[in-house]
Amino acid sequence: SAVISQKPSRDICQRGTSLTIQCQVDSQVTMMFWYRQQPGQSLTLIATANQGSEATYESGFVIDKFPISRPNLTFSTLTVSNMSPEDSSIYLCSVERTSGGFYNEQFFGPGTRLTVL
Amino acid sequence: AQTVTQSQPEMSVQEAETVTLSCTYDTSESDYYLFWYKQPPSRQMILVIRQEAYKQQNATENRFSVNFQKAAKSFSLKISDSQLGDAAMYFCAYKTINTGTASKLTFGTGTRLQVTL
Repeated sequence: SAVISQKPSRDICQRGTSLTIQCQVDSQVTMMFWYRQQPGQSLTLIATANQGSEATYESGFVIDKFPISRPNLTFSTLTVSNMSPEDSSIYLCSVERTSGGFYNEQFFGPGTRLTVL
Repeated sequence: AQTVTQSQPEMSVQEAETVTLSCTYDTSESDYYLFWYKQPPSRQMILVIRQEAYKQQNATENRFSVNFQKAAKSFSLKISDSQLGDAAMYFCAYKTINTGTASKLTFGTGTRLQVTL
């Protein structure tokens, strides 16, 4: 398995400000993922972060709004910039780890609950 | 693009009884993985069970089993001997077979399971 921690666990922010969410993994992983879960909704992938290269963003998400850093193989940050109430969501960090053969199991962090006023 | 549909927003089951959660998906691929994830109120996503599309045998993990119907693109989860701790949001998810690069999970909208005494 993988132990993933996120900071902060929750925050309440004012519109127009930015928040950086940290994700720490207990061992080295190649790929890290950031998901958003809007209230009562499913998970949507924001971007995939590979160490040493630019993050790959999904349709509807842009780097200016959600800049991501991946300075090493155990850590990543997601910044939610110029926040609006529509950004109120749970943000989850996820990693892949080989779980036998060619299968990579995906593990999730506990999430960061963001409320924007 | 792949889509995952969960048509039951909420389900309820009595303790010790059996419940089945439905999931259908759409894909043009022949090889892929399917998953059921559990998200308790604590928010930590936990993998319940996975199924490789190339395997005809349905996956089983203790009280959890799936009914995988590849031709019908159906992937239901059966929970036997339901326990209070099974109460959670359950997400069905799809993933392309790893071809050397990380591939994202596509989630359904979730089914909230209540377990009553």
